[in-house]
Amino acid sequence: AQSVAQPEDQVNVAEGNPLTVKCTYSVSGNPYLFWYVQYPNRGLQFLLKYITGDNLVKGSYGFEAEFNKSQTSFHLKKPSALVSDSALYFCAVRGSGAGSYQLTFGKGTKLSVIP
Amino acid sequence: NAGVTQTPKFQVLKTGQSMTLQCAQDMNHNSMYWYRQDPGMGLRLIYYSASEGTTDKGEVPNGYNVSRLNKREFSLRLESAAPSQTSVYFCASSDSGGYQETQYFGPGTRLLVL
Repeated sequence: AQSVAQPEDQVNVAEGNPLTVKCTYSVSGNPYLFWYVQYPNRGLQFLLKYITGDNLVKGSYGFEAEFNKSQTSFHLKKPSALVSDSALYFCAVRGSGAGSYQLTFGKGTKLSVIP
Repeated sequence: NAGVTQTPKFQVLKTGQSMTLQCAQDMNHNSMYWYRQDPGMGLRLIYYSASEGTTDKGEVPNGYNVSRLNKREFSLRLESAAPSQTSVYFCASSDSGGYQETQYFGPGTRLLVL
C-alpha cells in the first residue's frame, strides 16, 4: 500500500525567511509526487509535481521541491516566504505498481508566515 | 473555462435524508474523482470514474453511490445520510487517469449531517 507522511502539522516562518514543508512517501514502483495548496474555504490548487528526471522541480508562486530517492522524500521549499503563502499544504503520491490507481494524500501541513 | 464546478456549496441534512452532490468539468477530461476531506486526515478517495461509463470504489466508498452521467458530469449520492458523513467533499478530474497526471479540483461542498 502507498502512503505519505507529513511529519509537521504546522510550520511557522517569518516573512522573508526560507521555508521547508516536509514530505516522505512509500510506494511500489516508480513514485509520482505532487504538492497542492489549499487556501481557506477553497479547493486544492496544484503547485508542482515530480515525474522523472531532474530531482529539483520548480512550480507555481516560486515554490520548488527536491526529490530524494534514497530518503524517499519530496520536501517543498521556497527561498523567501510571503505572508500570502500562509495556507494548508498537501503532499500526494501515486505509484506505478499494481493496484496503485489512486492518489494518496498526506494529512496536510499548515504553513503560517509571520509578518 | 470554469474548470471543475460543484453544487451545492453548502448543505445541512438530517440523519436519514438523501441528497446528490453534483460535479461538472469543462476540460474534456476522461477521469473524474470524488474525495472527502476531514480534519487531520487529508483527502480520501470515495469513488472514481476512469472514463465515461465506468466507476470504481476508492478507499472509503461505504454509504455512497456515484453516477457518471456523461463525460462532463459525475455525481455523488448519499442515500441515507449519517453524522459520520459530515465532511467537505471535493470533486476532481484529470485527462486520462495516468500515473503522472495532475488532478484538478473543484471548490468543494461542505456537508453537515445533524
